[in-house]
Amino acid sequence: EDKVVQSPLSLVVHEGDTVTLNCSYEVTNFRSLLWYKQEKKAPTFLFMLTSSGIEKKSGRLSSILDKKELFSILNITATQTGDSAVYLCAVGQNTGFQKLVFGTGTRLLVSP
Amino acid sequence: SAVISQKPSRDICQRGTSLTIQCQVDSQVTMMFWYRQQPGQSLTLIATANQGSEATYESGFVIDKFPISRPNLTFSTLTVSNMSPEDSSIYLCSVEQGVGAFFGQGTRLTVV
Repeated sequence: EDKVVQSPLSLVVHEGDTVTLNCSYEVTNFRSLLWYKQEKKAPTFLFMLTSSGIEKKSGRLSSILDKKELFSILNITATQTGDSAVYLCAVGQNTGFQKLVFGTGTRLLVSP
Repeated sequence: SAVISQKPSRDICQRGTSLTIQCQVDSQVTMMFWYRQQPGQSLTLIATANQGSEATYESGFVIDKFPISRPNLTFSTLTVSNMSPEDSSIYLCSVEQGVGAFFGQGTRLTVV
């Protein structure tokens, strides 16, 4: 059975801290790994990773994929209260189209 | 990235009734995807809508309960039929573009 596991389930940090969110996966026909930020309803796209070892960076956020060990991490440096959200990891499968399998998410709370 | 407009944003419905959710994209896309997020859960793919053909449903989802229309390359609807309280969820449409997969604003459905 295809699965995506995220850890930790929840995390509370102080503003300015650095956090690392983990995503491991076991899926067939891997195509890509995607990270999202979900604050209310709609997940906001952060990154899509397809190649191992190549870091993607956007401001204080960065992510990297290890296709050998089947995991990815999302780093957030100098956290701000606006980073408080659920972070979702999804793995795209090649099934003729890209089907996304989502993890259950990590709930991050950044306290002032 | 594509701009995806989804409506309604939220609704409260009586059990036994049906609700149709609309999704409009600002560019032509081959595939549109419909997801459900039950309270406290992650996203689960309901079905994939391809213009000009019947939608493809994931295991556990059936056309009679979740009929989908895809009349053209920029629009799709999902109907939640004969609703029960267990259908209370966030419903999201999604499209894929080269750099990632993007979501509409979501519809929060409460069935009473």
